[in-house]
Amino acid sequence: GESVGLHLPTLSVQEGDNSIINCAYSNSASDYFIWYKQESGKGPQFIIDIRSNMDKRQGQRVTVLLNKTVKHLSLQIAATQPGDSAVYFCAETPTGNQFYFGTGTSLTVIP
Amino acid sequence: GAVVSQHPSWVICKSGTSVKIECRSLDFQATTMFWYRQFPKQSLMLMATSNEGSKATYEQGVEKDKFLINHASLTLSTLTVTSAHPEDSSFYICSARAAAVALRAQYFGPGTRLTVT
Repeated sequence: GESVGLHLPTLSVQEGDNSIINCAYSNSASDYFIWYKQESGKGPQFIIDIRSNMDKRQGQRVTVLLNKTVKHLSLQIAATQPGDSAVYFCAETPTGNQFYFGTGTSLTVIP
Repeated sequence: GAVVSQHPSWVICKSGTSVKIECRSLDFQATTMFWYRQFPKQSLMLMATSNEGSKATYEQGVEKDKFLINHASLTLSTLTVTSAHPEDSSFYICSARAAAVALRAQYFGPGTRLTVT
């Protein structure tokens, strides 16, 4: 499988602050990326996606940035809330079918 | 949104026995299903890709004779862990996609916690 890694395994932020979660991917052929949120004991939930022909995409309170030059993704969460506490994964697909997940970052929001 | 279920949600079995896990797409036809395993505090590792009516494609390092996958219908895929051992204890998650949909439309099941004693 592919190797997709994260720089920070854990992250703690104060409620209301912005969070930035990073991800490095290894396959330059990957052209589509998704960020997932996983709560304890549950399956991943889609947050936001981005194609390789874009460098930024915004959703509700979330923004994904893609730097293809250094094969780096980031997920920015604005005004982080306690409900955002979870593990966040980036996933890449070099095949357009299978997705390969990064190592994950555990986000803890401090009230 | 689309719903994917898994059954059972958790199972405890004895070493040497086999366990079957079901993955169902409840409100759409899943031409492709994926099976992942996840160890505590680790990422999801793709095990295999299952297309309806054909043999599963396994990722490198995954033993196909140990992890039997059957995708017999457009709404059901099963993963059978044969001759389970304690090291097979893990969280098994499936996902499902319909044909000709956006790549984002991969829906995950809630997972099955397998404990082998």
